[in-house]
Amino acid sequence: AQSVTQLDSHVSVSEGTPVLLRCNYSSSYSPSLFWYVQHPNKGLQLLLKYTSAATLVKGINGFEAEFKKSETSFHLTKPSAHMSDAAEYFCVVSDPDDYKLSFGAGTTVTVRA
Amino acid sequence: GAVVSQHPSRVICKSGTSVKIECRSLDFQATTMFWYRQFPKKSLMLMATSNEGSKATYEQGVEKDKFLINHASLTLSTLTVTSAHPEDSSFYICSAPIKSAQYFGPGTRLTVL
Repeated sequence: AQSVTQLDSHVSVSEGTPVLLRCNYSSSYSPSLFWYVQHPNKGLQLLLKYTSAATLVKGINGFEAEFKKSETSFHLTKPSAHMSDAAEYFCVVSDPDDYKLSFGAGTTVTVRA
Repeated sequence: GAVVSQHPSRVICKSGTSVKIECRSLDFQATTMFWYRQFPKKSLMLMATSNEGSKATYEQGVEKDKFLINHASLTLSTLTVTSAHPEDSSFYICSAPIKSAQYFGPGTRLTVL
């Protein structure tokens, strides 16, 4: 069985400051991990993915995540938050055999001006 | 640009009626698609896996007679909510895999009066 735990339900940052969203995973095999973003009443947009290549993954909109096997973590970061980053973020693990996704509970990001 | 579309984006119906939601893959073929349900301020819950040319597979607790899935072609899956009730009101999202990642449709907001 596989699962992800997002450690923060809500993160609030000031515009221009760094953002850190924490995610720990549990998987019985080498996982594929993803971060998705969802703006209000919208579908999910893929930010980045880890599929056993480089452990530091760069995504869209300045986001990146680092896969740390020893810590079973896949934290998402951005050096400078923008107002448009306010959204819901989901850490997701994928079953490599059937593509089924297991979602974290989500982290709501608010950005203060 | 979007790789998965959904139609309609929003639907309001009366209790007891049936509603069909379409999910289309754009410019690629999808033998498998997934249907999710999302409650307000909650994460996504996988409802079922839609398989082209065969029966859908439903997650535990999801009524297959209530949520009919048809994967009629390699680019189209439909979800029909039969005899809808107010508790079926939700945000329904589909996804399709491309290589190692899932791409999501924009979602359909269903409101049952």
